[in-house]
Amino acid sequence: GAVVSQHPSRVICKSGTSVKIECRSLDFQATTMFWYRQFPKQSLMLMATSNEGSKATYEQGVEKDKFLINHASLTLSTLTVTSAHPEDSSFYICSARDQGTALLSGANVLTFGAGSRLTVL
Amino acid sequence: AQKVTQAQTEISVVEKEDVTLDCVYETRDTTYYLFWYKQPPSGELVFLIRRNSFDEQNEISGRYSWNFQKSTSSFNFTITASQVVDSAVYFCARAGGSNYKLTFGKGTLLTVNP
Repeated sequence: GAVVSQHPSRVICKSGTSVKIECRSLDFQATTMFWYRQFPKQSLMLMATSNEGSKATYEQGVEKDKFLINHASLTLSTLTVTSAHPEDSSFYICSARDQGTALLSGANVLTFGAGSRLTVL
Repeated sequence: AQKVTQAQTEISVVEKEDVTLDCVYETRDTTYYLFWYKQPPSGELVFLIRRNSFDEQNEISGRYSWNFQKSTSSFNFTITASQVVDSAVYFCARAGGSNYKLTFGKGTLLTVNP
């Protein structure tokens, strides 16, 4: 089945530094990927839609200069948290849409990565 | 915003009991998709089911079953004969039209005690 690899799984950084998280579709091409954020014991909130070869679409309230998204190839999207601060500490998780999967079936058309836990000291 | 409501924040059952997790959604889309995911303590999201809005047929997969009722905008999930390994947070989610941007419910923490 479709696999999405997310790296790193855990990262600890100092306040003020930038952190890059990668999301790769391993066995399928994904023109669209999604980035979500999850605070402890809370739900997942969509941050942005990553579009291959074009600018990401950010959800309302998400700072695009803070969370830089690059989708340079059909298998890779990156999220860079710039000048990270403790309030950016969170669980970030990506998903990729496998457009080769039939829409009419009940198949899983969205595959999630295992998530990246960011801790900013 | 088109919300997904999981009214049960936490549920605790004893092993072998049946348990139903409720999900009520809002939608303005003619075509939409409903999902259930399991999130164990390790954090990854495990896909359980996707249901298309035009397919109200209920589904059973082993100990899992889903009841989709468009008339009440509900998509409930039942685990039969629960096991300790079922302990996790369960999320219901929806996506509209050709857009696969998921709106998640707040999740239900299920604890199955031995």
